[in-house]
Amino acid sequence: GAGVSQTPSNKVTEKGKYVELRCDPISGHTALYWYRQSLGQGPEFLIYFQGTGAADDSGLPNDRFFAVRPEGSVSTLKIQRTERGDSAVYLCASSLTAGQGGEAFFGQGTRLTVV
Amino acid sequence: AQSVAQPEDQVNVAEGNPLTVKCTYSVSGNPYLFWYVQYPNRGLQFLLKYITGDNLVKGSYGFEAEFNKSQTSFHLKKPSALVSDSALYFCAVRDPGYSTLTFGKGTMLLVSP
Repeated sequence: GAGVSQTPSNKVTEKGKYVELRCDPISGHTALYWYRQSLGQGPEFLIYFQGTGAADDSGLPNDRFFAVRPEGSVSTLKIQRTERGDSAVYLCASSLTAGQGGEAFFGQGTRLTVV
Repeated sequence: AQSVAQPEDQVNVAEGNPLTVKCTYSVSGNPYLFWYVQYPNRGLQFLLKYITGDNLVKGSYGFEAEFNKSQTSFHLKKPSALVSDSALYFCAVRDPGYSTLTFGKGTMLLVSP
């Protein structure tokens, strides 16, 4: 597609449930990033993929959060046993490569609300 | 470690006046610096970047930014503001030794008619 696509755009779930958020990056982009943006804050890094592998997952807040990118394209962020504090906008971005100063292109985000 | 500071939560400017949105950074090496803009209910849109070379970089929608290594700053500027420039602006930095961006908390720009 022309840009980074994220689905769903909005997700409301009950506390304790499992959710999956999907990201479809720009075709040909090898680097993929997940960020989380809470109200009034800048995006916070969660995890970065180079190809199929998670090159840096140091931003994942705990073991309830997990992400995969099995074929080096689409990625899924998975959150188990959701908590109200997980409510935020989850942003996905992709770039051609991770280096060389290339800019990242962001999707419109998935707004997750845990009730 | 890398970090970004945007000291102003909000900047107010009248249409037609010049605008500046401030950003300072901290990295261990030479930085890659970026500005993004976020409109309501939209994702982040890339405006401009500094990688190397000329300290004054020009970007989308008439915006520019000046890299100042001695002051570790990368302020966003525009000679004449438009009401449509009203949005949330984020500065971001990446140390070339890292693969991820670190963002500031954002500055809301409000341009009044």
